[in-house]
Amino acid sequence: DIQMTQSPSSLSASVGDRVTITCQASQDISNFLNWYQQKPGKAPKLLIYDASTLQTGVPSRFSGSGSGTDFTFTISSLQPEDIATYYCQQYDNLPYSFGQGTKLEIK
Amino acid sequence: QVQLVQSGAEVKKPGSSVKVSCKASGGTFSSYAISWVRQAPGQGLEWMGGIIPIFGTANYAQNFQGRVTITADESTSTAYMELSSLRSEDTAFYYCARGSLDYGDKILWYWGQGTLVTVSS
Repeated sequence: DIQMTQSPSSLSASVGDRVTITCQASQDISNFLNWYQQKPGKAPKLLIYDASTLQTGVPSRFSGSGSGTDFTFTISSLQPEDIATYYCQQYDNLPYSFGQGTKLEIK
Repeated sequence: QVQLVQSGAEVKKPGSSVKVSCKASGGTFSSYAISWVRQAPGQGLEWMGGIIPIFGTANYAQNFQGRVTITADESTSTAYMELSSLRSEDTAFYYCARGSLDYGDKILWYWGQGTLVTVSS
């Protein structure tokens, strides 16, 4: 199975800050990577697929990059409503494994 | 507009089984993959498996192999996830999620609201 390692596991930042989360795959997954946002008490929401394609309706302050084994998720200017846990997920091979999540808090 | 509505919370005894439903509306049910993801309290997401109703064959994560059965009823646009031999570690929220025609089950575009299954004696 492919292991997905996210870092950091938690992050505290101020409104307006640039925030970056990394996700590393245990083997080459090309660009077969999704990013999801999960707010407390809610179901996850797809933000980015194919490593860098923004889902329709997602604000442009969110972005993703990377290929192979190393990926980055960025919020260019943190907003209060971005408080959530973020997960990467690979879909190169079954099972479609998730990273352990990054909990984002406002400083 | 795509909606996935899941069945309500369940409390089960260890060793028993639970069957969670996921009713879909919007789009053609048979052609879209339905996947199941679980989340233990305060923990991360875990992919369990999925099915494309028109094909009828499900894929399962090895962690759940032999204990989980995913099915779909095209006549009612409802998918089901049954987990057997329940243990306390199976206490979690169980989510269904729908894929797309071009990506199949690889991208989870729409999610149900989640169903809490509590396993307790």
